[in-house]
Amino acid sequence: SSELTQDPAVSVALGQTVRITCQGDSLRMYYASWYQQKPGQAPVFVIYGGNIRPSGVPDRFSDSSSGNTASLTITGAQAEDEADYYCCSRDSTGNHYVFGAGTKVTVL
Amino acid sequence: EVQLVESGGGLVQPGGSLRLSCAASGFTLSSYWMHWVRQTPGKGLLWVARIKTDGTTTGYADSVKGRFTISRDNAKNTLFLQMDSLRVEDTAVYYCGRGGGEFLEWGPFDLWGQGTMVTVSS
Repeated sequence: SSELTQDPAVSVALGQTVRITCQGDSLRMYYASWYQQKPGQAPVFVIYGGNIRPSGVPDRFSDSSSGNTASLTITGAQAEDEADYYCCSRDSTGNHYVFGAGTKVTVL
Repeated sequence: EVQLVESGGGLVQPGGSLRLSCAASGFTLSSYWMHWVRQTPGKGLLWVARIKTDGTTTGYADSVKGRFTISRDNAKNTLFLQMDSLRVEDTAVYYCGRGGGEFLEWGPFDLWGQGTMVTVSS
């Protein structure tokens, strides 16, 4: 079982805001990174450690963290944001990476 | 163009071996930690292994430790994953991923390859 817990699915109306959460004890100590994956494609790095985004990722994607919960927020969701989103961090031993099970985001 | 391209996947019988390669282009491989991540069809992501910039430090998921070996040839800009004693449950798409620079040991995976499929079946 994953040490990082994500809701299996969320939906958001076009143009509205959605927050995707990731819970785990290790998040009290380590940053989370977030990845977007569309069907049939490789994951794409979205954001890490307090709004560190690669060039090309829109600024409607932001992240935050509090206690044992990391969050990815999409402000003004677009149709192209429909995808699976995975969080990732170090595990409780600090010696391995662990991924959450992923959240499927549907844009209505 | 900055990219990673995996190769070497295929069908192998349980107990067999396979060697995956990941060719890097558009950047200097030796400047980055590198990783392998796998994804079972229709399922989530699992981190498999990591290797330091100069190859002196490696780490493995418990499920593959002792069976898989990660290595790199910086002169040839190529990352490898030697997979031995393969099991049916190792069936997955295997991605190579670029990690942080030398002093960012636990950085995010900021560049991914397209993946190569490994099927372990009799």
